[in-house]
Amino acid sequence: GAGVSQSPRYKVAKRGQDVALRCDPISGHVSLFWYQQALGQGPEFLTYFQNEAQLDKSGLPSDRFFAERPEGSVSTLKIQRTQQEDSAVYLCASSFSLPDREAALGDEQFFGPGTRLTVL
Amino acid sequence: QQQVKQSPQSLIVQKGGISIINCAYENTAFDYFPWYQQFPGKGPALLIAIRPDVSEKKEGRFTISFNKSAKQFSLHIMDSQPGDSATYFCAAQQTGANNLFFGTGTRLTVIP
Repeated sequence: GAGVSQSPRYKVAKRGQDVALRCDPISGHVSLFWYQQALGQGPEFLTYFQNEAQLDKSGLPSDRFFAERPEGSVSTLKIQRTQQEDSAVYLCASSFSLPDREAALGDEQFFGPGTRLTVL
Repeated sequence: QQQVKQSPQSLIVQKGGISIINCAYENTAFDYFPWYQQFPGKGPALLIAIRPDVSEKKEGRFTISFNKSAKQFSLHIMDSQPGDSATYFCAAQQTGANNLFFGTGTRLTVIP
């Protein structure tokens, strides 16, 4: 596939459960981003990876949120002890960046279709 | 705090009409302004983008107008088509930052 893929597309969790959301970026894309999109709102930044290094996690709302990208390709966003306010669409995006350079101004971010998380 | 403010929240336009969506920002460090189009069940996709050294950029039926002094920018869709019906997000980014700041979105409906 040529685009960013995410799985599962839909996830229903009971409050207190842990969930793991997967992102497969476009092959060769060094930069990977996670965004949270609440209903009727724009995406909000969560975290950024360059290869396997998590360079920015300033948008993670609490220590229940954890992201990893151990081999610099696939990434997983994990949410522990889910709460109702975690219900949202979680979007993953990737962009091509020159080697040894962080994502730069104007690098196009390609978004996946998102995972819709509903916490009951 | 919303870094980028977008209006209107929804817009209905007749086929062939002009759709106009407006955005405003406060952070003068922003220097890249993309517009994204999102269809239901899909992720946002880059539509067109502008940097503040120009006041207008046109790609086909889509035009961005940029007013640096007013800290405002807008998307104009000429000859709007039913296939343009989607949610549009403006965004902003600054040099040295990796992430985009998005507006709240405008749901555009083009009536045949």
